[in-house]
Amino acid sequence: DVKVTQSSRYLVKRTGEKVFLECVQDMDHENMFWYRQDPGLGLRLIYFSYDVKMKEKGDIPEGYSVSREKKERFSLILESASTNQTSMYLCASSSTGPRNYEQYFGPGTRLTVT
Amino acid sequence: AQKITQTQPGMFVQEKEAVTLDCTYDTSDPSYGLFWYKQPSSGEMIFLIYQGSYDQQNATEGRYSLNFQKARKSANLVISASQLGDSAMYFCAMSPANTGNQFYFGTGTSLTVIP
Repeated sequence: DVKVTQSSRYLVKRTGEKVFLECVQDMDHENMFWYRQDPGLGLRLIYFSYDVKMKEKGDIPEGYSVSREKKERFSLILESASTNQTSMYLCASSSTGPRNYEQYFGPGTRLTVT
Repeated sequence: AQKITQTQPGMFVQEKEAVTLDCTYDTSDPSYGLFWYKQPSSGEMIFLIYQGSYDQQNATEGRYSLNFQKARKSANLVISASQLGDSAMYFCAMSPANTGNQFYFGTGTSLTVIP
């Protein structure tokens, strides 16, 4: 069964802290994605990765960085958390092929920055 | 620029009735995929249905069907025989072929099924 896991369902951090959100997939997918979801705004892409050690900026990369050292793991880093980064964070993965395939999502991490 | 529009923030449907959730898109890429996802209150995004831009037939998956009108750039989701468990947020997404599987999501429609 397809599985994407995220390290925490709920996280509370203080302003200025460095925050790591981890995502692991067990489907040997090449592509991995980080989104944030806010009410009324849908899902917005932060960063994505096509392969190990590769990363591409999405629509809202400011204030975030990512790391992909292994194929199955994609980490989102908030270098210095701010209150406007309070949000739901969703990780997804997908395979590569002749067409664009559905993305499989993790359960999400609800981050609160105080 | 790629864009997905869902104009219905909230919808209500009577149990056992059919409901259509609207989605329009804009892309200059001739090859793209269209997707619908369901997000229950638990937060997990569940893939429902896929339509390729070159597919001749409308996609169907059980009670879900995608009403694909390419000339109008619309990809409406039809849920037949609504069930209480269908109450959720529904997101439309588009993935142009030249973007390496990057998805563009709409803002979602909240569906409530009334007993």
